[in-house]
Amino acid sequence: QVQLQESGPGLVKPSETLSLTCAVSGYSISSGYYWGWIRQPPGKGLEWIGSIYHSGSTYYNPSLKSRVTISVDTSKNQFSLKLSSVTAADTAVYYCAGGRWLYSIDYWGQGTLVTVSS
Amino acid sequence: EIVLTQSPGTLSLSPGERATLSCRASQSVSSSYLAWYQQKPGQAPRLLIYGASSRATGIPDRFSGSGSGTDFTLTISRLEPEDFAVYYCQQTWYTFGQGTKLEIK
Repeated sequence: QVQLQESGPGLVKPSETLSLTCAVSGYSISSGYYWGWIRQPPGKGLEWIGSIYHSGSTYYNPSLKSRVTISVDTSKNQFSLKLSSVTAADTAVYYCAGGRWLYSIDYWGQGTLVTVSS
Repeated sequence: EIVLTQSPGTLSLSPGERATLSCRASQSVSSSYLAWYQQKPGQAPRLLIYGASSRATGIPDRFSGSGSGTDFTLTISRLEPEDFAVYYCQQTWYTFGQGTKLEIK
């Protein structure tokens, strides 16, 4: 059974960098799925942030591309998100996820609320 | 950029009724890349349908998807109490619709 678990600070100051990690269990990251991050501001809809393959190939939402870095650590079976220069508009529940690229997001973490505030 | 528009924004129905949710794309999309998700309060989304019409593992057969080109539909044949939630369509991984809230009438 594939499980994903996000970890990282729940509070980030404006202009700083948001950093989250997603630990994957029950499946090897190197086995073939794509992995990524989706966020959801309170009371709003879902927004794809970006995705990565175990080879390191990345795809980013154009609206966030200049501020986003997604990386993978196959030795630890985890992947990470960095979002720089955050503002209050980046306050959201951040989900890590995995699935078949372009087809479907099959697996989701439980989500972690990140609040941007001084 | 493809935009997905879901309608209605809110659908009020009773258990046992049939629900029909619409997802319209601003330009033609491949059916292979059209998925539907269910999200309950405080929970992560759950994959229901992929490839426009294929049910994900463990999804009851009262859920069905159809459509092609720019118009796609999620149908719940007979609503169960646990089906009241928000539903999102998605095109590839890039784009989500704004969601349809299915509420108890």
